Amino acid sequence: EDQVTQSPEALRLQEGESSSLNCSYTVSGLRGLFWYRQDPGKGPEFLFTLYSAGEEKEKERLKATLTKKESFLHITAPKPEDSATYLCAVSNDYKLSFGAGTTVTVRA
Amino acid sequence: EADIYQTPRYLVIGTGKKITLECSQTMGHDKMYWYQQDPGMELHLIHYSYGVNSTEKGDLSSESTVSRIRTEHFPLTLESARPSHTSQYLCASSEYGGYTFGSGTRLTVV
Repeated sequence: EDQVTQSPEALRLQEGESSSLNCSYTVSGLRGLFWYRQDPGKGPEFLFTLYSAGEEKEKERLKATLTKKESFLHITAPKPEDSATYLCAVSNDYKLSFGAGTTVTVRA
Repeated sequence: EADIYQTPRYLVIGTGKKITLECSQTMGHDKMYWYQQDPGMELHLIHYSYGVNSTEKGDLSSESTVSRIRTEHFPLTLESARPSHTSQYLCASSEYGGYTFGSGTRLTVV
């Protein structure tokens, strides 16, 4: 059975304080690893898809990396508007399996 | 601009009532999904569809049912709502691996 574990559960950062979120996964036949951002009361918003170990993708202050067993989401010099829950998911043949997420709070 | 729409956004309903949660997408995607999410918990797949007249149950057992008569429409129905059905329901569609989610329906059964 596919498993996705995210750590830490919660992260409190000062504005400008860079950090990383971890996503460990086990899946049979990885079709892709996804990162989403979810704001309270809203649906997940797509950030990145990674397909193979060594792949990296960037968007503004966010950078996602992938190894054979885990993915990292690096947040560089975060701002208060980066506060959200970040979800990791792995795709197999027919569905996305999600982790519980890391809730990031960035204080000004 | 949202390409996948869910209505209603919020619903409070009494036990025993029949309800239908609506989901429509304008992207022409064949694959559509319903996920259930409790506060602070991961999303769990409850139903999915690969196209018109195709529906399958997901990993999380659910008393809800779905239908797919048109490509763009994937409604979820609860015949008799119970307090245990209180949750957030998220609809999504995909093509070539990219999933787009709606804003969700937060259901409260009292």
